[in-house]
Amino acid sequence: DVKVTQSSRYLVKRTGEKVFLECVQDMDHENMFWYRQDPGLGLRLIYFSYDVKMKEKGDIPEGYSVSREKKERFSLILESASTNQTSMYLCASSLLGGGSYNEQFFGPGTRLTVL
Amino acid sequence: GDSVTQMEGPVTLSEEAFLTINCTYTATGYPSLFWYVQYPGEGLQLLLKATKADDKGSNKGFEATYRKETTSFHLEKGSVQVSDSAVYFCALYEWGGGSEKLVFGKGTKLTVNP
Repeated sequence: DVKVTQSSRYLVKRTGEKVFLECVQDMDHENMFWYRQDPGLGLRLIYFSYDVKMKEKGDIPEGYSVSREKKERFSLILESASTNQTSMYLCASSLLGGGSYNEQFFGPGTRLTVL
Repeated sequence: GDSVTQMEGPVTLSEEAFLTINCTYTATGYPSLFWYVQYPGEGLQLLLKATKADDKGSNKGFEATYRKETTSFHLEKGSVQVSDSAVYFCALYEWGGGSEKLVFGKGTKLTVNP
């Protein structure tokens, strides 16, 4: 059974803290994605990666960075958490080169609260 | 850039009612189109997809037809169940600059009452 796992389901942090969100996939996918999900705004792409050590900015990269040291793991980093980063964070992965047949597989999400 | 617009929610229906969730898109060319579903407390999962004009995607009693002339991909189900309560996202596939990604609508929350 294919699986994308995220390190925490719920996380509470304080303003100014450095926060790491981890995502691991076991499907040998090249593409990995980080989204944030907010009511009324849907899913917005933060960063994505199509290979180890490669990263591309999505639509809302400000305040975030990412790391992809291994193919199966994609980390989202909040260098200095702020209250406006309170959100649900979703990780996803897909095959590279699958073209328009590509399905993205999602993790269960991490609900982050920044106090 | 490409974009997806879907009907505002929330949508509340009684069990066995007919469901339509509208989705229209703006894109260059003819992208593949998807519906994803998010059940409470879970991540998104693919519900159905269509890769070219006039294709019909179907799964679990849900259907959507790729209409090029109206740039639409409306989701329908003839008889909803309580277990269909979820958030539904319309999305299109976008490729450019050597990378691939999905562009999502804002989601429509469906609640089905017994």
